[in-house]
Amino acid sequence: QKEVEQNSGPLSVPEGAIASLNCTYSDRVSQSFFWYRQYSGKSPELIMSIYSNGDKEDGRFTAQLNKASQYVSLLIRDSQPSDSATYLCAGSYNTDKLIFGTGTRLQVFP
Amino acid sequence: GAVVSQHPSRVICKSGTSVKIECRSLDFQATTMFWYRQFPKQSLMLMATSNEGSKATYEQGVEKDKFLINHASLTLSTLTVTSAHPEDSSFYICSGVGGASGIYNEQFFGPGTRLTVL
Repeated sequence: QKEVEQNSGPLSVPEGAIASLNCTYSDRVSQSFFWYRQYSGKSPELIMSIYSNGDKEDGRFTAQLNKASQYVSLLIRDSQPSDSATYLCAGSYNTDKLIFGTGTRLQVFP
Repeated sequence: GAVVSQHPSRVICKSGTSVKIECRSLDFQATTMFWYRQFPKQSLMLMATSNEGSKATYEQGVEKDKFLINHASLTLSTLTVTSAHPEDSSFYICSGVGGASGIYNEQFFGPGTRLTVL
């Protein structure tokens, strides 16, 4: 099992819909979880961080963490074409180090 | 969020030459900086962890004599790719962790350096 696993996609949603991105993780990754957005040819940009079970909302974004199921998700409400990018899930281990998933490519079509 | 810069953004060099990449935290002190490499259509792979004033720690499989890291101050870390070869061509990205956001271990990434070795 990969330490942080994501479906590579692409996930295609119409503009205005909710995009749901999912990520599972192994026992090695256990502390904090992060969602990054990466546009083609650019570096990752932090969207959300989540440390405890439950939901965390920030604007159009909601991160959900379920430690019992080793599952973390990102919901994007009112998706816009500008949200089209690759979304990277990352989990921390060994204090500050991160392990990244391979990313899910999101396509929002008008 | 905290701002991290990298220089240069793009470099093309001949095989056998050395290339230095600078990573700076602009509005916070980065006690720890990380260096990643990303090949096309792949995820980020951690190369090394750099702490100010101490030697970098390298991930398994990363040659420390080839990828020299110096973290001379709380705002600057450098990565030198020595005797670069075509297989070193990649997207090199640094990140900083510090007290800017007050959040434990959030990493903020620089814009990346695209290295092409001919």
